Amino acid sequence: DAKTTQPPSMDCAEGRAANLPCNHSTISGNEYVYWYRQIHSQGPQYIIHGLKNNETNEMASLIITEDRKSSTLILPHATLRDTAVYYCIVRVNTGTASKLTFGTGTRLQVTL
Amino acid sequence: EAEVAQSPRYKITEKSQAVAFWCDPISGHATLYWYRQILGQGPELLVQFQDESVVDDSQLPKDRFSAERLKGVDSTLKIQPAELGDSAMYLCASTPGGSWGTDTQYFGPGTRLTVL
Repeated sequence: DAKTTQPPSMDCAEGRAANLPCNHSTISGNEYVYWYRQIHSQGPQYIIHGLKNNETNEMASLIITEDRKSSTLILPHATLRDTAVYYCIVRVNTGTASKLTFGTGTRLQVTL
Repeated sequence: EAEVAQSPRYKITEKSQAVAFWCDPISGHATLYWYRQILGQGPELLVQFQDESVVDDSQLPKDRFSAERLKGVDSTLKIQPAELGDSAMYLCASTPGGSWGTDTQYFGPGTRLTVL
């Protein structure tokens, strides 16, 4: 799986958009970009994933650059409950279920 | 909404003792994973099951760790004997399995192990 680079920490004011960047310059054509988050003392939670098109669901939006070397997770209106560690994971398409390779993620602190 | 169940949530033990963790995946999920998360780091895979068979246990310290999923449903992870360095969060995850690498993994709340 390709390596990802994320900033170790970010702050965001409640109600504002949180934009979390991720670099994955060695991504290959069949690798998906996944985002998970982990709220303190809980298991990771799936947020969203994409291949090359931008994606949106009820939790977030995922913007992937045209060259696919980087992406941004957008939480449109951050709340205090969005305070968590956010993991960007690039995952190879193997044709079968496979593990997630986590880095150290970005610790997002949402403040009043 | 269906969830992955794990027990116990917290376990304190002394080194050299045996400990066991239990996981019940979401009903119908064929693939089950055990991850270990050391404080300040991301989770790392210990073992992956497809039904009752081990698919990947390359990172499992087999001299002291064992895992089983006898009927292809719930699973047990055991450590014997526990060492100080085993203190970590042990996470279980499951997926329906089999799709082209895009299946979402659903994680349980984890078991926090402290070895004294």
